[in-house]
Amino acid sequence: KAGVTQTPRYLIKTRGQQVTLSCSPISGHRSVSWYQQTPGQGLQFLFEYFSETQRNKGNFPGRFSGRQFSNSRSEMNVSTLELGDSALYLCASSLVVSGGSREQYFGPGTRLTVL
Amino acid sequence: TQLLEQSPQFLSIQEGENLTVYCNSSSVFSSLQWYRQEPGEGPVLLVTVVTGGEVKKLKRLTFQFGDARKDSSLHITAAQTGDTGLYLCAGVKFGSGNTGKLIFGQGTTLQVKP
Repeated sequence: KAGVTQTPRYLIKTRGQQVTLSCSPISGHRSVSWYQQTPGQGLQFLFEYFSETQRNKGNFPGRFSGRQFSNSRSEMNVSTLELGDSALYLCASSLVVSGGSREQYFGPGTRLTVL
Repeated sequence: TQLLEQSPQFLSIQEGENLTVYCNSSSVFSSLQWYRQEPGEGPVLLVTVVTGGEVKKLKRLTFQFGDARKDSSLHITAAQTGDTGLYLCAGVKFGSGNTGKLIFGQGTTLQVKP
């Protein structure tokens, strides 16, 4: 089974621009979660999508948004980029099983650099 | 304040030594997962523990979930250079329901020298 894929792997943008990152989950996984990883803050939860609906949201400003398509692929968008948005953006997919613990499988990430 | 505190943050040891990484919290977790991450890559899932007191072994790695489900440990026996990487614990807070929100510790950077 193919793993989680993320595109692009690397991105360089300037302040004020916007960016869209893409994530394709493992086949059959309908939940996609997004995380931001920085040296100072570690891995921080951004949001989770399941069946095209946002189910959970972390403590990030409204400049961070996402969506999920009917094929479970997900995109996240960051508008009006700031220098502090430079980070590794990771998405993880999981199988939602009623009453069970979920295991999340991560993609390789998109390294975003804001200049 | 981190909800999940990992210690130590950095560890540099010689090949063949044993080590233990700790993940502690004052909160109860429904489950805890351990990941290993290499530079420029995403975290790779090593194990999930869900039952208080549970012990799982993966070759030279032993994972334990505390009885109260507030802490976990990862023990590596006879470390090898291939064990080098960032080790992360992550969990689902009890009462969160069936959520895809993982809370991560800050990670332990392990360097195993030949």
